[in-house]
Amino acid sequence: DAGVIQSPRHEVTEMGQEVTLRCKPISGHDYLFWYRQTMMRGLELLIYFNNNVPIDDSGMPEDRFSAKMPNASFSTLKIQPSEPRDSAVYFCASGGEKLFFGSGTQLSVL
Amino acid sequence: GENVEQHPSTLSVQEGDSAVIKCTYSDSASNYFPWYKQELGKGPQLIIDIRSNVGEKKDQRIAVTLNKTAKHFSLHITETQPEDSAVYFCAASESYKLIFGSGTRLLVRP
Repeated sequence: DAGVIQSPRHEVTEMGQEVTLRCKPISGHDYLFWYRQTMMRGLELLIYFNNNVPIDDSGMPEDRFSAKMPNASFSTLKIQPSEPRDSAVYFCASGGEKLFFGSGTQLSVL
Repeated sequence: GENVEQHPSTLSVQEGDSAVIKCTYSDSASNYFPWYKQELGKGPQLIIDIRSNVGEKKDQRIAVTLNKTAKHFSLHITETQPEDSAVYFCAASESYKLIFGSGTRLLVRP
């Protein structure tokens, strides 16, 4: 298995633009998680899904953030409109208790 | 909700020496405690984990101890090598919602 695949690897955008981050989890994993990593706040859990259903989105910072999982092999995290404080590395992870992380998307909002 | 504190934030050791990283958690319902290693430009990778019904677990040069009464758990790395240099995260969960500590940057000096 290729592991958790995230795209794009890097994203640079201007404030106010819509940003969409994508994730392909490992086949057979029932849980999918989105984390955000910054120097100030560390690894923050944004939202997680079980069998494509959102279970806990209490970590989503604002209504500008939304996440979907239309099927077992694909998830998106969308920020609209983006702001400079959204700049961070966004990780997708799949698994159950044991999480397997993707390589992350480095987002820079100018 | 769960809160995980991790110390120290940075740790520098001589190659061959031991390294110890400590974490405390707040939610007595937490029952799963993994440790992740993150290398530059990569996502965190699980290196060892322990459940609340076990006091200690060892895997070659790494070991984890858990004191459930005091809500403390620690990572021990013996005979450190330069390739152990990375950021290490502890985490705690009760039901798949994994909350991470702030991380420890370990530097192993050759």
